[in-house]
Parts: sequence; C-alpha cells; structure tokens
Amino acid sequence: EDKVVQSPLSLVVHEGDTVTLNCSYEVTNFRSLLWYKQEKKAPTFLFMLTSSGIEKKSGRLSSILDKKELSSILNITATQTGDSAIYLCAVGNTNAGKSTFGDGTTLTVKP
Amino acid sequence: DTGVSQNPRHKITKRGQNVTFRCDPISEHNRLYWYRQTLGQGPEFLTYFQNEAQLEKSRLLSDRFSAERPKGSFSTLEIQRTEQGDSAMYLCASSLAETLIGNQPQHFGDGTRLSIL
Repeated sequence: EDKVVQSPLSLVVHEGDTVTLNCSYEVTNFRSLLWYKQEKKAPTFLFMLTSSGIEKKSGRLSSILDKKELSSILNITATQTGDSAIYLCAVGNTNAGKSTFGDGTTLTVKP
Repeated sequence: DTGVSQNPRHKITKRGQNVTFRCDPISEHNRLYWYRQTLGQGPEFLTYFQNEAQLEKSRLLSDRFSAERPKGSFSTLEIQRTEQGDSAMYLCASSLAETLIGNQPQHFGDGTRLSIL
C-alpha cells in the first residue's frame, strides 16, 4: 500500500526564518508528487513535481523532487505569519486516480 | 466563485442516524474525490469517480458508506447507521483526469464537518 511520511510533524519559527519541510514516500508506479497548503479549511494546491532535480518555485516557496531518495522538500524563505498552516504532501501513481496524503507538517510562524 | 461547493458545512446527528452530504465540483472537472480527515491527520481517500463511474473505493471503507454521482456532475456521500468513529471532516475534491505528464491538482471544497453525539 502506498505510504507518505512527512517530517517534522510540527515546527515553530519566527518571521524571517527559512524552513525546510520533508516528504518521503513509498508508492508503486510513481507518477507525481504534489504539495498543498491547508489553512482553516480546504487544502490549496502549491506544486506538482514529476521529474527529479527540477525545482519548482513560486515567490518565497520552492520545492524539488529526488526520485532516487524517494523524497521531496518544500522550502519557505523569509517566512511570514501568513505562512502558518498545515503543509500536505501527496503522491499519485499511474494505476489509480487517487492521491495518497501524508499527515502534514504544521508550521507556526510567530511575529 | 466556481470552486468546489459542499453542503452542509456542519452536520450534528445522533449515533445510528443516516446522513447525506453533497458535493458540487468545478463544472469542467470529470474527476471527483471524497476524503475523510481527522485532527492531526492528512486526508484519507474514500472513493473517486470519473464522470458517473465510481472507479475506486478504499478497502477501509465500511459498507455503511456509499457514494453516487448519477449524472457525472454533483455527488452525494451517504453514511448509514452512523457511529462515533465517523466524526470527521469529509472533504470533496475535483480535478481533470491525469495526463501523461502527471496527476492533475485536486481542488478541494471547504468540507462537511460531521459530529456524532
């Protein structure tokens, strides 16, 4: 069965700090890895990664996939209080339309 | 706003009652997913549809749970004879079908929070 593990489970930083969130996976027939941000309600899409070593970037957020290590990292630079959220990692395989989610990393950014 | 819409937002019911939730996906999305999420955990897959066809159902899903998408548009999720352990947030998401490149991002609704008394 597909499995996604995220670390750390929670993280508390101060504004301006840089954080790195980790996601490792075990999935048959890997297709893609997706990152989502969940504030109070619905998860919202951040990135989709399919190829190893190619960084995706959006503002202060960036992410990269390592297929050899079966992992991905999400970096957030110059954190702001608005970055406080749960960051979810999900993987999809080629045989199913569903995504398997990790339990998320809860990030708290203090002023 | 033409995002994913879920109703009701919150449902409180007594143990043993039946409940039904509705999800209206983004109109051009042919995929629709149901997830369950409890505190401190990520969304747990329940089932998904492509158009009106239910393509996969989680092995963990009790036969008290049933989902339909009769016309390939909105979907309903019914839980019969609810139990305390059914208390959770039920999330619906929709997407386009995956491409050769990868899975399509899922767009989530705000969920229905179910509380069993």
